[in-house]
Amino acid sequence: QKEVEQNSGPLSVPEGAIASLNCTYSDRVSQSFFWYRQYSGKSPELIMSIYSNGDKEDGRFTAQLNKASQYVSLLIRDSQPSDSATYLCALNTGTASKLTFGTGTRLQVTL
Amino acid sequence: GAGVSQSPSNKVTEKGKDVELRCDPISGHTALYWYRQSLGQGLEFLIYFQGNSAPDKSGLPSDRFSAERTGGSVSTLTIQRTQQEDSAVYLCASSFSGWDTEAFFGQGTRLTVV
Repeated sequence: QKEVEQNSGPLSVPEGAIASLNCTYSDRVSQSFFWYRQYSGKSPELIMSIYSNGDKEDGRFTAQLNKASQYVSLLIRDSQPSDSATYLCALNTGTASKLTFGTGTRLQVTL
Repeated sequence: GAGVSQSPSNKVTEKGKDVELRCDPISGHTALYWYRQSLGQGLEFLIYFQGNSAPDKSGLPSDRFSAERTGGSVSTLTIQRTQQEDSAVYLCASSFSGWDTEAFFGQGTRLTVV
């Protein structure tokens, strides 16, 4: 089982809709969770971090964490064509540990 | 500079030659990560530094790969006797203290082995 699992997509949503991106992880001791956006040919860009159970909102983005279910998600409200990118879920299990990434979900926002 | 800086941006090298890739992290960041990304693939972890030490170097694919970090700042990734399968984008990221803080990426070095 992969440490971090994401559906590769593409996930296609119409402009203005809510995009829901999901990520599950296998290591129960995971403590820090991050969402990155990567445009084609560019390096990953941090969108959100979340450390405790519940929701965290930042503008059009909401991260949701459920440690009991080992699940983290990213909601993008009012999706725009500029949101079309690959979204990477990442986590860290604690001190002296690496940042582990999922393979990413490709999001396509259609006009 | 304000962000993570990597050099060179692009590197073309002949098979069998050695290359050095440089990463200059955000000032004050103690944690530094190296990843590589092949075309259309996910991020492959290479090595993690905390200060000058490397608690996790489990991702280095072979003994041709090595990395060091001096003065708790600049890091160099060295690939000896490059092979065509080493062609990828090499990404560096840094964070303030490691596991509980956000990591920021540089623009990457695109390595092409011909």
